[in-house]
Amino acid sequence: QVQLQESGPGLVKPSQTLSLTCTVSGGSISSGSYYWSWIRQPAGKGLEWIGRIYSSGNTNYNPSLKSRVTMSVDTSKNQFSLKLSSVTAADTGVFYCARAPDFWSEYFDYWGPGTLVTVSS
Amino acid sequence: DIQMTQSPSSLSASVGDRVTITCRASQGISTYLNWYQQKPGKAPNLLIYAASSLQSGVPSRFSGSVSGTDFTLTITSLQPEDFAIYYCQQSFNTPFTFGPGTKVDV
Repeated sequence: QVQLQESGPGLVKPSQTLSLTCTVSGGSISSGSYYWSWIRQPAGKGLEWIGRIYSSGNTNYNPSLKSRVTMSVDTSKNQFSLKLSSVTAADTGVFYCARAPDFWSEYFDYWGPGTLVTVSS
Repeated sequence: DIQMTQSPSSLSASVGDRVTITCRASQGISTYLNWYQQKPGKAPNLLIYAASSLQSGVPSRFSGSVSGTDFTLTITSLQPEDFAIYYCQQSFNTPFTFGPGTKVDV
């Protein structure tokens, strides 16, 4: 059974960089058959796709966040990571990592439980 | 970006009811449409992918369909554990976008 788990600081100061890691267990991140995404959800609001990374390191970012987002993958640790720079209070929310099979219609079949990140001084 | 809308934004229902939620995209997305259920404090859970394919392990009372540009999620007999928020998501192109959600409550 594949499991994903987000980790990282729960509190980040404004203007700093938010850094999160997703650890994948029960399957290899380098299998080449999946995309690995980050999705966020402000409190009481809807879902926003941040971007995705393939095991090769290829990335696609949401244009609304592209200038501030960097994703990376560490196949040796079976992890992928998110960095979001210059954060403001508007970046506060729950961040999820998720897996999507490399299928013609990409869907998120496994999610981490989510981690709450608060941006505050 | 493709904008997703859902209707209704919320609905009240009872156990045993048939519930229908509609999702529409701002442009044609073929059948690149997925449905998720989210309960409070939990991550979303995939119900339907590619408009009408039932995800493994999801009860058969959930179904998805498409008619033109309208996508529908149907719950044939609502169960107590089905009270939640339901989101649609398009995967036609990036950035992937989600609908605003439909809250199903008592």
